[in-house]
Amino acid sequence: TQLLEQSPQFLSIQEGENLTVYCNSSSVFSSLQWYRQEPGEGPVLLVTVVTGGEVKKLKRLTFQFGDARKDSSLHITAAQPGDTGLYLCAGASLRAGTALIFGKGTTLSVSS
Amino acid sequence: NAGVTQTPKFRVLKTGQSMTLLCAQDMNHEYMYWYRQDPGMGLRLIHYSVGEGTTAKGEVPDGYNVSRLKKQNFLLGLESAAPSQTSVYFCASSYSPQPAQYFGPGTRLTVL
Repeated sequence: TQLLEQSPQFLSIQEGENLTVYCNSSSVFSSLQWYRQEPGEGPVLLVTVVTGGEVKKLKRLTFQFGDARKDSSLHITAAQPGDTGLYLCAGASLRAGTALIFGKGTTLSVSS
Repeated sequence: NAGVTQTPKFRVLKTGQSMTLLCAQDMNHEYMYWYRQDPGMGLRLIHYSVGEGTTAKGEVPDGYNVSRLKKQNFLLGLESAAPSQTSVYFCASSYSPQPAQYFGPGTRLTVL
């Protein structure tokens, strides 16, 4: 069974701080996605990383896919209260036709 | 485009009652999914469909049934609700199984 472990589970920081969220597995994925979910809403896709070692930037968010395509990280620079939410990573199996595997998520709270 | 919509938004059931959750998407997606989200458990796949008239079991299918009679609709049924089915249910759709999934706003179900 493929598993995605996210850490930390909870993160509470002050506005302006930097943070990193990790998503790790012992399995190789063909791609990995990051979603953000706000209270009372469904998850929304932030980014998909496909190539080992790939780095993608979305404003203050930086996403990296591990060289071996087993892990990923999300780094937020100068966090803002609007970044508050649940961050989920999801991996796509190498086996075609299978559904995404979701991590349990990291709950981020940014206070002003 | 409305994207993915879910009906109803909230529902309270008594143990043993039945109900159907409706998911509709207007993006002409082939794949549709039903997840449940519980605290500390992340998103768990209940059932999914790879096209009109097809369904398949996910990680936690027991106690649920689904139907995909039309490409744009995916129904989730609970024949005899149990308190363990208290959860937030999300529907999602995608062009194929692994790229981005688009989520609905969720249905919060409480079984007393």
